[in-house]
Amino acid sequence: GIQVEQSPPDLILQEGANSTLRCNFSDSVNNLQWFHQNPWGQLINLFYIPSGTKQNGRLSATTVATERYSLLYISSSQTTDSGVYFCAVERGYNKLIFGAGTRLAVHP
Amino acid sequence: DVKVTQSSRYLVKRTGEKVFLECVQDMDHENMFWYRQDPGLGLRLIYFSYDVKMKEKGDIPEGYSVSREKKERFSLILESASTNQTSMYLCASSPRRGVNEQFFGPGTRLTVL
Repeated sequence: GIQVEQSPPDLILQEGANSTLRCNFSDSVNNLQWFHQNPWGQLINLFYIPSGTKQNGRLSATTVATERYSLLYISSSQTTDSGVYFCAVERGYNKLIFGAGTRLAVHP
Repeated sequence: DVKVTQSSRYLVKRTGEKVFLECVQDMDHENMFWYRQDPGLGLRLIYFSYDVKMKEKGDIPEGYSVSREKKERFSLILESASTNQTSMYLCASSPRRGVNEQFFGPGTRLTVL
């Protein structure tokens, strides 16, 4: 089956720093999503990005489907950015395969 | 905005009880999903449904069943709860075949004693 690998597994930042999270996947996929899981456990949609680049405020994402990776950029990080970031790819019909996540801690 | 709601944020049940977890979405989505999330195992798909009264097994369906009598509601049923079903349960929905951006509910943290 498809393997989804995220790096780094853990990241500690000072407020205001920038970061890049990476998601590699082992096979071609239909779609890719990035999520942020907040401290209360809810998964918040960040991007639905099978290819190309999208931006939303301080966050942006790029997926290069032909090279099987996606990047999530966080600029000017804030403490509210803390949590776990998941990449998920669509396998077959409607099924998402999740990576293990990157745990981000932003300190004031 | 898409809204997916789940009936409880926290639930405590006894071994052997029948447990119902309810999920409702308000965006007329065709597809609905149930996942569980466990430390070290990540998110795993239990069941999904692409239409009313239709269901498909996910990766870990054992010990669970589902019901989808109305388009907006998808229920997960633990017929006889066991301690190894203590977990975080997450419901999601997506618009339709070919448009599978999934939106998640707040989750239900279930403890089985």
